[in-house]
Formats: sequence, C-alpha cells, structure tokens
Amino acid sequence: DSGVTQTPKHLITATGQRVTLRCSPRSGDLSVYWYQQSLDQGLQFLIQYYNGEERAKGNILERFSAQQFPDLHSELNLSSLELGDSALYFCASSITVRDEKLFFGSGTQLSVL
Amino acid sequence: GENVEQHPSTLSVQEGDSAVIKCTYSDSASNYFPWYKQELGKGPQLIIDIRSNVGEKKDQRIAVTLNKTAKHFSLHITETQPEDSAVYFCAANAAGNKLTFGGGTRVLVKP
Repeated sequence: DSGVTQTPKHLITATGQRVTLRCSPRSGDLSVYWYQQSLDQGLQFLIQYYNGEERAKGNILERFSAQQFPDLHSELNLSSLELGDSALYFCASSITVRDEKLFFGSGTQLSVL
Repeated sequence: GENVEQHPSTLSVQEGDSAVIKCTYSDSASNYFPWYKQELGKGPQLIIDIRSNVGEKKDQRIAVTLNKTAKHFSLHITETQPEDSAVYFCAANAAGNKLTFGGGTRVLVKP
C-alpha cells in the first residue's frame, strides 16, 4: 500500500459528461501529481500541485482542470468527456516539489461510452 | 524536452534467469533515474532509483547501471521469480524539469 488513496476505482460515464476524480496524498506529502495512462501513450504527466499551488502543467487538455485543497487532497475534473478520454488516471504524491520518489495510488479507471 | 526510450517492450524469461531492460535518454542535464514496477490492477511502485553521480546501485536481486556518456541506463533483475512478472517503467529528469517515463516493458517470468 503506497499510502495514496484514489476514489473511485472505476467510473463509467457517457460522452459529454463531467466527472471528478479524488486523491488523498500520503501523510506529510505536499506535492500531488496527476498522470494519464493509456495503452498507446504510456504514462503522461498532466499537472502538479505543491502545497495548494499549481506547480507545473503537462499535456493537460483545456477540458480538464484540477485543484489542491488546504488539507492537501486533490481533485481532477474532466468535462465534455470524449471517447478518447477513456484511460487510467493516476495520482501520485511526494514530499518535495521535485519529481523524486513519487508514490502512486491505484488509479481510477475511466470508461467513456 | 526530455525523451526516454525503453527496450524491449516485452520480455519473457525462464524462472531463475536474469532480465535486463535498457533505456536511453536525450537530455544530458538529466540527473535522476528511477525505475517503477506496475503490477496488474495497481499503480506504479518505485523499486530503485539512481542519481547521475553514481554509476551503479544494487538492492538485493535488482541493480541499475548508468552510463552518462552514452546517455543510457539499465535495470538488471537476477534470479527472476514469478512475482517479478509486471510492467517496468524507467524514467529520467533534470533538476527543475518534469519526470519523463519510458514506454514500459512487460516482463513475464515463466515457471
């Protein structure tokens, strides 16, 4: 168990809908990262928050947004969903702002039908 | 930006044999190289990492080697066991940059 909690584990929705994925980092970790994993694209970095502030953005679509709350949990919001958004979404956390020793959650499997 | 290539994409070995996975990176400023293991239905788990000031690091049956000149690093698993079956990812980053992952290697250890 990495100590990173992601909910829900599975999410099935329809095109055009909006969903929210939730992540609780390991106790004491200040950085939260979101990654997307699809079969043909591997692990793609979406966005990082550090202590409540957006730190870095990767290949995150404008339809996607995220935030980190004062208690350090994070939410990833995906809107106007398309079939191609179907993927595994991972949250990871680390104690520092640097991308080192990331601990990953078990992921949310999103299926857009 | 950084580009990390990983080979092979799949690797099948007999239990007890060794497995080697190789990665190359493009950014000569990269100085941190972790390896992650992802089992079915789980998230990636950090198994070993190495920094650019070290050429080799070992942890029980797992070792990583780094060749900065050639810009490649490798994961070596000795005495493979069925529980080593998983997808392995290498990654690289330079200070201040984002971690870039390789495409993954699916390892199957046959009993």
